[in-house]
Amino acid sequence: TQLLEQSPQFLSIQEGENLTVYCNSSSVFSSLQWYRQEPGEGPVLLVTVVTGGEVKKLKRLTFQFGDARKDSSLHITAAQPGDTGLYLCAGAWSGYALNFGKGTSLLVTP
Amino acid sequence: NAGVTQTPKFQVLKTGQSMTLQCAQDMNHNSMYWYRQDPGMGLRLIYYSASEGTTDKGEVPNGYNVSRLNKREFSLRLESAAPSQTSVYFCASSEDQLSSYEQYFGPGTRLTVT
Repeated sequence: TQLLEQSPQFLSIQEGENLTVYCNSSSVFSSLQWYRQEPGEGPVLLVTVVTGGEVKKLKRLTFQFGDARKDSSLHITAAQPGDTGLYLCAGAWSGYALNFGKGTSLLVTP
Repeated sequence: NAGVTQTPKFQVLKTGQSMTLQCAQDMNHNSMYWYRQDPGMGLRLIYYSASEGTTDKGEVPNGYNVSRLNKREFSLRLESAAPSQTSVYFCASSEDQLSSYEQYFGPGTRLTVT
């Protein structure tokens, strides 16, 4: 199983701050997805990136795929309490099976 | 349109007991998956079914069996539960087995084995 490292593991910030979480591997991804999971629920897909250097925006969330397709980042601008949750990246190397990172647990306090 | 449903939501078993976790999807998806989620370990794939009639092992298949009953339903069976199988179990489905397709997750089953 290919290793997929996420950092930081935990993040506690105040409303209005910016933050970035990272997802890294030593191997090249064929594609990468970011999911968000709220307590007691299953993960929900935020974005899929496929092309090296790709940048996708989803309101205040910006996702970037590294040029070499070995890393990705999620940047949140002006975080809100509703952004609280577990952010998971999931990478694919073999074409179909996704490998999930351990997640970044984000807490945004008012 | 319920998406992915799982039953039961909670279960407590004693070591050695058996049980089946049920999963159904109403999105006409071809592929279905079973994951377990443990603190600090992320989501790990137990088994998956790329299409009706096929099943394959994932990262952590030991102690589990699966059945793809039809296109809608994919069940996970624990024949002899062990405390190490205490976890939250998620079923997911996707339109196709290709990783670029979104996976839709159910709400999870919280299993405790004592």
